[in-house]
Parts: sequence; structure tokens; C-alpha cells
Amino acid sequence: DGGITQSPKYLFRKEGQNVTLSCEQNLNHDAMYWYRQDPGQGLRLIYYSQIVNDFQKGDIAEGYSVSREKKESFPLTVTSAQKNPTAFYLCACSMQGGNQPQHFGDGTRLSIL
Amino acid sequence: KQEVTQIPAALSVPEGENLVLNCSFTDSAIYNLQWFRQDPGKGLTSLLLIQSSQREQTSGRLNASLDKSSGRSTLYIAASQPGDSATYLCAVNRGAQKLVFGQGTRLTINP
Repeated sequence: DGGITQSPKYLFRKEGQNVTLSCEQNLNHDAMYWYRQDPGQGLRLIYYSQIVNDFQKGDIAEGYSVSREKKESFPLTVTSAQKNPTAFYLCACSMQGGNQPQHFGDGTRLSIL
Repeated sequence: KQEVTQIPAALSVPEGENLVLNCSFTDSAIYNLQWFRQDPGKGLTSLLLIQSSQREQTSGRLNASLDKSSGRSTLYIAASQPGDSATYLCAVNRGAQKLVFGQGTRLTINP
């Protein structure tokens, strides 16, 4: 089955620690995205990548980093510089082109210990 | 700056009713508008995508309309069922596939 997989489902971070969230897709989509969702709010774009080895900052990139070394993978690192990391993180992918729908994974819930 | 608003934040209706969810946006320069469904603790499922040149899209019991000039979109759900209970999010594509989301409407269908 083609799809987009996020792991782990739940993640806990200690103060001062960096953590990495995994996102893998086998849909052969060029573009991938990371969003953050806080309770009662819509999603906000953190980073996006339209092609391998290239990515751009979204609206709330501070305290986060990404890499795009392979087409199918777009990991997100939440660094210690992100002071309020507790949230639900969602990864998405889409085909290139302005009118392609985005397909989402099931999310990772990050909490602070 | 594009802002997307969904009203109401929550809606509860009896099973079988037809209902309309609303989405408004401040900048009419959009590429498309997408409606999503989110179940608790889950990711988003794409329901309908309306291109900027289109007025509406239909999928089964769902119909989405788009009026760019007034900055509004509606999602019409016919003959609602308990399985339709979820949060519904709209998002506008402001270019380069960068989506701006509304806060969502939490829908409960009562049997």
C-alpha cells in the first residue's frame, strides 16, 4: 500500500535535548512538508521541500531543522532552541504542481518531560 | 497576510440532517482551497480540492463551493451520519503549495 508514515507516534523530550521525528513516503511524491498543530488551532507550516537536497523555511521554522537527502524521507529535528515544542506534528507530501492535494501521515505527539 | 477563519468552532446536529460548514479567507489570490477531515489523534484526510477557477466540487454526500470574490467556501454534508463526526479543516493554497489552515469545525452527529 502506498502511503506516508510517521514515527514514533508518541515522543518525549527532556530539557536541552534534540529529538528527531521521522517521515517516510512511498508515493513517489516530490514535495514534502512539516506542520505543527496546537490544541484548538489549525496547522502551521514549519518547513517544506519541493525536491531532494532543497528545502525552505515555513512560517514557524525557528528552533527546527530538516534534511532531504532522499526523495522518500524528510526528517524533522526539534532542537533545544525550540522553547515550546509540545504539539502534534504532521508530515505531508504531494506531487509537484499547484493543484495537487497534500496527503498526510498520522502524526507524532511530542511532549516535554 | 492570508488568514482563514472557520465558524462555528463546534457544531452538533441530529443524524440525517443536511449541514453546512463555513470557511472564509482574507486574500482572494489563491491557487486552490482544500477541505480535510481529522479524526481525534490522527492525521488529515483530504476530502475535496477546489481549484481557483472552479465554483464547486462534489464527492458522494459532500459538496464544496468556492466564491473567491467574497472570500468564502462552504462544505455541504447531506444526510449526515454518526461516522461523519470529526473535525473539518479548510486550507487555502497561497502558492508553492503553502497551505494556510483555518482552526477547524468540530462536528458531532448524534444518533
